[in-house]
Amino acid sequence: NAGVTQTPKFRILKIGQSMTLQCTQDMNHNYMYWYRQDPGMGLKLIYYSVGAGITDKGEVPNGYNVSRSTTEDFPLRLELAAPSQTSVYFCASSYGRGALAGGPDEQFFGPGTRLTVL
Amino acid sequence: KQEVTQIPAALSVPEGENLVLNCSFTDSAIYNLQWFRQDPGKGLTSLLLIQSSQREQTSGRLNASLDKSSGRSTLYIAASQPGDSATYLCAARTGGSYIPTFGRGTSLIVHP
Repeated sequence: NAGVTQTPKFRILKIGQSMTLQCTQDMNHNYMYWYRQDPGMGLKLIYYSVGAGITDKGEVPNGYNVSRSTTEDFPLRLELAAPSQTSVYFCASSYGRGALAGGPDEQFFGPGTRLTVL
Repeated sequence: KQEVTQIPAALSVPEGENLVLNCSFTDSAIYNLQWFRQDPGKGLTSLLLIQSSQREQTSGRLNASLDKSSGRSTLYIAASQPGDSATYLCAARTGGSYIPTFGRGTSLIVHP
C-alpha cells in the first residue's frame, strides 16, 4: 500500500492564482481530512469528509473548497490565492464506523504540500 | 470543546535517558487518543493509538498510557537515542465526533 499520497510536494503561486492540491489514499478509508500547519500554530482542520459525496467544514474553511466523488480521492481547491494561505498542507485518512458506533479510528497522514503565495 | 495541551513545548536530553512526554485533555469522554511523530519537513507518522477501553499500548521502546479520569496520556520512551529527535504530537477524539483535537507537540532533542 502506498498509504496517503499528496501532489505536488512544493508549489509557488502568485496572488490571485488558483490551484488544486491532490490527495489519494489506497486503504479504502471512509474518513478523509485536510489540515494546514503553520509554524508555532499547530494543525488546523480545513475540511473533512465522512465518505464519498459527504464533506463538511472544519475550523478554517474560508478560501478553500473540497469535493469527494470517490472513496480514494479528496482534492483541495484554492481559489484566488492569498499570502495568508502560505502554509504546509496535510491530507489524512482514517477507517471507522459511523459516529454512533465509534467513528474514525487510527489516522494516517500524507507527506504534505508546501505552498508559498507571493 | 475538547482542548489538548502538551507540556513541555521543548525538551533536550542526553542519549540513553528514559523520558516521559505528557498530553492533557479537558473532556474525559474521549473515544481514542493517538500519538504521532513528526520529523522536520515531513508528515505525521502514527506511533500508537489507545482506545478508551485500554489503559496502555506498547510498540518497541514506546509505551503510551491513558488515564481518562485525570485527563492525561503519557508517552514513555525507553533508552532514548538521537534518532528519536522529532516533534511528538498527541490527538484526542471525543466520542460522537469525527474530528480529533491535536496538541501543539513537544519538540524533543536527544543529544549524543
